Amino acid sequence: EPEVTQTPSHQVTQMGQEVILRCVPISNHLYFYWYRQILGQKVEFLVSFYNNEISEKSEIFDDQFSVERPDGSNFTLKIRSTKLEDSAMYFCASTRTTDTQYFGPGTRLTVL
Amino acid sequence: SQQGEEDPQALSIQEGENATMNCSYKTSINNLQWYRQNSGRGLVHLILIRSNEREKHSGRLRVTLDTSKKSSSLLITASRAADTASYFCATRYSSASKIIFGSGTRLSIRP
Repeated sequence: EPEVTQTPSHQVTQMGQEVILRCVPISNHLYFYWYRQILGQKVEFLVSFYNNEISEKSEIFDDQFSVERPDGSNFTLKIRSTKLEDSAMYFCASTRTTDTQYFGPGTRLTVL
Repeated sequence: SQQGEEDPQALSIQEGENATMNCSYKTSINNLQWYRQNSGRGLVHLILIRSNEREKHSGRLRVTLDTSKKSSSLLITASRAADTASYFCATRYSSASKIIFGSGTRLSIRP
């Protein structure tokens, strides 16, 4: 069964550094998402992406964040200058329609 | 806030018993989904119920939706140790494709 994959599984970075989190959505899916979950808290929506552009973003998704679909398979989340409070589990999700969203296993980002 | 809220926040039951978790939300939805998350791991999709549906089954899972009360319930029958996890409801509102997660129920199954 096709799955969403994410790399790396764990990323440790210094405050102020740039990080790129990578996702490979399910191949025939059209809608792509990033969510994050700070430890012990609920899953929060960051951004949705459709037809090569951002379709919706939350207040969390400020100028420090960007997303890109550089080729036909990868979907990336870049954080330009990481802050301590960016430490969280970041989940990528994809869907063919606007129904069931399939989530990847997540990337645990630790900012020191 | 449009977010769904689950109750209880935590539930501990004996293996073999049934577990019921509830979710309430605030505005009209297009669909509601339930996910499971094992500690520190990814989100596994369990079941989706649309706003025009009242009940769905999948194996030992039964989900109900009451749009008049803006609530849903997830029933896990004949619980097993492997069901120990956090369970989240997530709602999709008509105007957006994103889903909004509730705060989750931590389910523990005692052997």
